[in-house]
Amino acid sequence: KQEVTQIPAALSVPEGENLVLNCSFTDSAIYNLQWFRQDPGKGLTSLLLIQSSQREQTSGRLNASLDKSSGRSTLYIAASQPGDSATYLCAVRGSSNTGKLIFGQGTTLQVKP
Amino acid sequence: DTEVTQTPKHLVMGMTNKKSLKCEQHMGHRAMYWYKQKAKKPPELMFVYSYEKLSINESVPSRFSPECPNSSLLNLHLHALQPEDSALYLCASSQELGMGNQPQHFGDGTRLSIL
Repeated sequence: KQEVTQIPAALSVPEGENLVLNCSFTDSAIYNLQWFRQDPGKGLTSLLLIQSSQREQTSGRLNASLDKSSGRSTLYIAASQPGDSATYLCAVRGSSNTGKLIFGQGTTLQVKP
Repeated sequence: DTEVTQTPKHLVMGMTNKKSLKCEQHMGHRAMYWYKQKAKKPPELMFVYSYEKLSINESVPSRFSPECPNSSLLNLHLHALQPEDSALYLCASSQELGMGNQPQHFGDGTRLSIL
């Protein structure tokens, strides 16, 4: 059974810092991995999707990497801003046919001005 | 603004009521999903529809009844819910189930409270 873990559960940093969020999964047979952002009381915003054959994806100040063999992904946020404060969730998709995503518990990020 | 629209945003209902949650997308997506998210927990998949047909039911109690009347709409009919069903209900869509390189897009959810 696939299990997804995110460390740390919470993180507080001063504005301007570069930071890394971690995601690990127990079954390396994944189809893709997706990073989401969730603001309080809101839905999920898709940030980056990495297919199993890819090593990384970039969007603006965000860079996500994937090491499928070791069961790890990282989300790197450069030059953090207060507007980046949110909960970040990673989710793995184990099969192309079901669409089912298995989520980690999330990392709640606070960027202080 | 999200491209997946859910209504209502908030719903309070008694255990004997019948209500429905609605989800709409106009991105031409053919896969649609219902997730349940309890406070401080990650979303958990409930149902998946592909081309308006139910593809996955994650052993969800029958008091939750999904419906996909057309390719743009997804409903979740609620009846005789329990207090533990209080949660944020999220709808999502993606281009097709078999296209793994396409992300799932989520709505803002309906926050449901059962009295």
